[in-house]
Amino acid sequence: GAGVSQSPRYKVAKRGQDVALRCDPISGHVSLFWYQQALGQGPEFLTYFQNEAQLDKSGLPSDRFFAERPEGSVSTLKIQRTQQEDSAVYLCASSSPGGEITPDTQYFGPGTRLTVL
Amino acid sequence: AQSVAQPEDQVNVAEGNPLTVKCTYSVSGNPYLFWYVQYPNRGLQFLLKYITGDNLVKGSYGFEAEFNKSQTSFHLKKPSALVSDSALYFCAVRRLGGYNKLIFGAGTRLAVHP
Repeated sequence: GAGVSQSPRYKVAKRGQDVALRCDPISGHVSLFWYQQALGQGPEFLTYFQNEAQLDKSGLPSDRFFAERPEGSVSTLKIQRTQQEDSAVYLCASSSPGGEITPDTQYFGPGTRLTVL
Repeated sequence: AQSVAQPEDQVNVAEGNPLTVKCTYSVSGNPYLFWYVQYPNRGLQFLLKYITGDNLVKGSYGFEAEFNKSQTSFHLKKPSALVSDSALYFCAVRRLGGYNKLIFGAGTRLAVHP
């Protein structure tokens, strides 16, 4: 597609519910990132995929957060037993491989705004 | 540890005047620096990046940024502000290694008044 798409754009969950957030990266982009943006803050890294391999999940805040990209394209971020502190905008970004010498630009989707009541 | 500081929560400027949004960074090794802009209910849009070479980087919508290694700064500039430039601006840094993960500042809200 023309850009990174995310769905749903808005999600309201009751505390304790499980949610799944979807990201469709730019076609052909190998790298995919998830970030969490709390209100009034900059985005914070959650996890990174290169194709289907999750190479870095150091930013996931707890074991309730799980991400997958089984076929190296679409990715899903799942949050189990949601808590109020999970309320944030979840941003997905993708980039084409550039290696260490020329780090590629990350292109961001519009985000999913999650509100946990 | 890597970090980015945007010392101003908000910058106010009159339309037609030059604007500067400040960013300083801390990173081991060579920094790769980025500026993104965020409009309400939108994702981040890429403006420009510094990888190596000329310290003055030109980007989208007439924006430019100057890399200053001695001051560890990467300030965003525009010679003549437009009301439509009003948005939230984020500076980000990435170091060599670390799978291209970006570290963002807290953001600066730019308000351009007619």
